[in-house]
Order: sequence, then C-alpha cells, then structure tokens
Amino acid sequence: EVQLVESGGGLVQPGGSLRLSCAASGFTFSSYWMSWVRQAPGKGLEWVANIKQDGSEKYYVDSVKGRFTISRDNAKNSLYLQMNSLRAEDTAVYYCARTSPGDYPFDYWGQGTLVTVSS
Amino acid sequence: SYELTQPLSVSVALGQTARITCGGNNIGSKNVHWYQQKPGQAPVLVIYRDSNRPSGIPERFSGSNSGNTATLTISRAQAGDEADYYCQVWDSSAYVFGTGTKVTVL
Repeated sequence: EVQLVESGGGLVQPGGSLRLSCAASGFTFSSYWMSWVRQAPGKGLEWVANIKQDGSEKYYVDSVKGRFTISRDNAKNSLYLQMNSLRAEDTAVYYCARTSPGDYPFDYWGQGTLVTVSS
Repeated sequence: SYELTQPLSVSVALGQTARITCGGNNIGSKNVHWYQQKPGQAPVLVIYRDSNRPSGIPERFSGSNSGNTATLTISRAQAGDEADYYCQVWDSSAYVFGTGTKVTVL
C-alpha cells in the first residue's frame, strides 16, 4: 500500500523558516517524480514544486522561487521542502504527492501538514 | 498563465446525475484529471486523462473533454459523493488546478 506521511508543519513568524518532510512507503520511491501541493484555508489547490527521481531537476511555482527548496533522499525514501522567508500568504496545508511531469496525475497524496505564518 | 474555471457549486438530488464543468482555452487538446476532496481529507484522484477511472473508483464517475470544456459526471449520486471537486491539467511545464466545485447531494 502506497503511503505518504508529511511532518514538520507548525506556527512560524513572518520571515521565518520551516522544513517539511514526507516519508514514503509502499512503492519504489526512487522511480517517481514527487511534488508538493498546498491549500490555503478555505481555498483551492496550488502546485508548489516538483523534483525528478534523482533530484537533478526541480521546478517551482513563481511565488516561491528563491524562497523554497525541494529536495529528496532516496536512501531514506523521503521528500523535503525547505521554506525560508515565509509570508502570511504561505499559510496552508502542504501535501506531498506522487506524480510525473507532463500529462500524469497526482495519483497518491499524503494527509497534509499545516503551516501557519503569523506573528 | 493558463486558467481553469469551474462553477462554485453544483447541487444534485439523491440518485440523480451531477455534471461538473471545467473550462479552459482549448482544454480539449489537453489531458484533464479530476480529484475529489472531502472535508479535512486529502484529495483523491477519481478520473485521469479525461475519462479513465483509477482502481477502486466507482463506474458512476465518468469524464469527457472536448473543445473548451471538460466535464466530470457523477451518475446515481450518493450522499457520500458530497465533496469538493477539482480539475487539473499540465501547461507550460506547470500543474494547473481548477477553481474547485462544491457538490451538494440533496
């Protein structure tokens, strides 16, 4: 059974940093692109970033470029999102999801972790 | 940037058919995926590449895509189908989600 379990969310002040983790199991993690998708309270879904199987390619939505860094450790079956210079508008539930670039869907999602940016 | 427009809400009587639209410029030339999200839960893929159902998704869920509109159809709607539904495409090396539709089963 495919499982994705996020952790690391919490309350952080504007300008602060946070690192999210996603532990994967039930599939060959190193064979898949992975993504982070977020959802602000009461709002829709927004793709944040994705990373290639070997970590050699990474892509970001414009609003987080230069502030967020996606990474992975295939030996630990883990995905990460380092979030710096956080803003109030980054407040959201962050989901990790399995996919591939192109016309592939997000076929598995974690349960999400809440990040709240507030003073 | 590419935009996907969905109705804010759709209501359907129990046992009847609900149709949720997803509008986008020439969306018929793209592959559309649909997700169901119940309150407090993660999204679940219900249709991929316009009209394909993942394993475990009831046949009551179907999809179509042509011209400027993709459609998710829920036949014989059940109370458990109440949820938010999002369409999604790949465009210009980015994933784009629709605005979301809340489905209410009366």
